[in-house]
Amino acid sequence: DTGVSQDPRHKITKRGQNVTFRCDPISEHNRLYWYRQTLGQGPEFLTYFQNEAQLEKSRLLSDRFSAERPKGSFSTLEIQRTEQGDSAMYLCASSFTQGNSPLHFGNGTRLTVT
Amino acid sequence: QQQVKQSPQSLIVQKGGISIINCAYENTAFDYFPWYQQFPGKGPALLIAIRPDVSEKKEGRFTISFNKSAKQFSLHIMDSQPGDSATYFCAASRNDYKLSFGAGTTVTVRA
Repeated sequence: DTGVSQDPRHKITKRGQNVTFRCDPISEHNRLYWYRQTLGQGPEFLTYFQNEAQLEKSRLLSDRFSAERPKGSFSTLEIQRTEQGDSAMYLCASSFTQGNSPLHFGNGTRLTVT
Repeated sequence: QQQVKQSPQSLIVQKGGISIINCAYENTAFDYFPWYQQFPGKGPALLIAIRPDVSEKKEGRFTISFNKSAKQFSLHIMDSQPGDSATYFCAASRNDYKLSFGAGTTVTVRA
């Protein structure tokens, strides 16, 4: 069990640029989640997938954000035209579908928009 | 709007002491209440979780107390150790997905 892997760990970008993050979940897990965490706050739900289907998106996920999980395995989160307010830690988590299945989080991608 | 309110924001405890963190929720549809521990530079890791059909759950030095009528739950860390110094998040969800997290409590254990 290699755990949830996220890449890159850190990303610094200029305002207006596009960025893409990757998440590799635990291989047996069919649910995948994206959360955003700002300094001093708890993680906030952004979106989740069951296999390749994106089943729910938060209102936090503006139209500049898009997430995909094309083959039901890894996922990407893209932010277009980044803004300084996008600076945060982006966390990916995965779980089984069955009840009582805890979320396993990766170590996140820290985005800094200058 | 935060669905789970957590307090205190931070606490300092002596080694061997008890740390207590409290959370309150409004949504009575929540049926799963986990606590996560997060170290700097790491993602949150599940510590312990409870469902509303029990009032207390203990795992080692960590205990969750749950009060369904008050819509409150708390984490007790007994015999606190320096390695327990971390940020703790309570959370709640319905049907085991889309966790709503509290704002976190930074615990510092002084040796």
